[in-house]
Amino acid sequence: DIQMTQSPSSLSASVGDRVSITCRASEGIRNDLGWYQQKPGQAPKRLIYGAAILQSGVPSRFSGSGYGTEFTLTISSLQPEDFATYYCLQHNGYPRTFGQGTKVEIK
Amino acid sequence: QVQLQESGPGMVKPSETLSLTCTVSGDSDRSDSDYWTWIRQSAEKGLEWIGYIDYRGRTNYKSSLKSRVTISADTSKNQFSLGLTSVTAADTAVYYCAIERRLPFSRYFFYVLDVWGQGTTVTVSS
Repeated sequence: DIQMTQSPSSLSASVGDRVSITCRASEGIRNDLGWYQQKPGQAPKRLIYGAAILQSGVPSRFSGSGYGTEFTLTISSLQPEDFATYYCLQHNGYPRTFGQGTKVEIK
Repeated sequence: QVQLQESGPGMVKPSETLSLTCTVSGDSDRSDSDYWTWIRQSAEKGLEWIGYIDYRGRTNYKSSLKSRVTISADTSKNQFSLGLTSVTAADTAVYYCAIERRLPFSRYFFYVLDVWGQGTTVTVSS
């Protein structure tokens, strides 16, 4: 199975901060990676696919980058509605595997 | 707009079989690149992909669950189901059904988890 190692597991930030979350794959997955946002009591919601393609309707303050084994999700200016848990998910092989999640909390 | 709804018992006894159904509504035209998928989430294991059934009825399961899992579909009812036998407390989780699809982008396509159900909590307890 492809292991996805996500860091940090949590971070505290203020509104307006720039934050970055990293996912590392145990083997190369090209750009077959998505980023998902989950709020309490809700299913995850897709933000980015293909490592860098912004899902329609998602604010442009979200961006993704990376190829192969290292990937980054960046929020350029954190907004109150962005406090949530973020997960990466690889779609390169089966079983699909998720990162452990990064909880973004208010400082 | 496709919607998914999970249904099934919220509590299952240890050693028994967990059975859940996902009802697909809002879109009667299933694509041959749709993968009807089950995922679960627990505090211990995070988000865990369980498996899928495709348009042709082929299944693919996570290897560590393969001996206990069955995913089936009733296309006439637009439903697919999850069966998990010999459950233990480790199977306590929120279970989600989802549809994985291929999205085209330029000359390429990418797989995404396109639609999710709201999730249903299943507790394994005597």
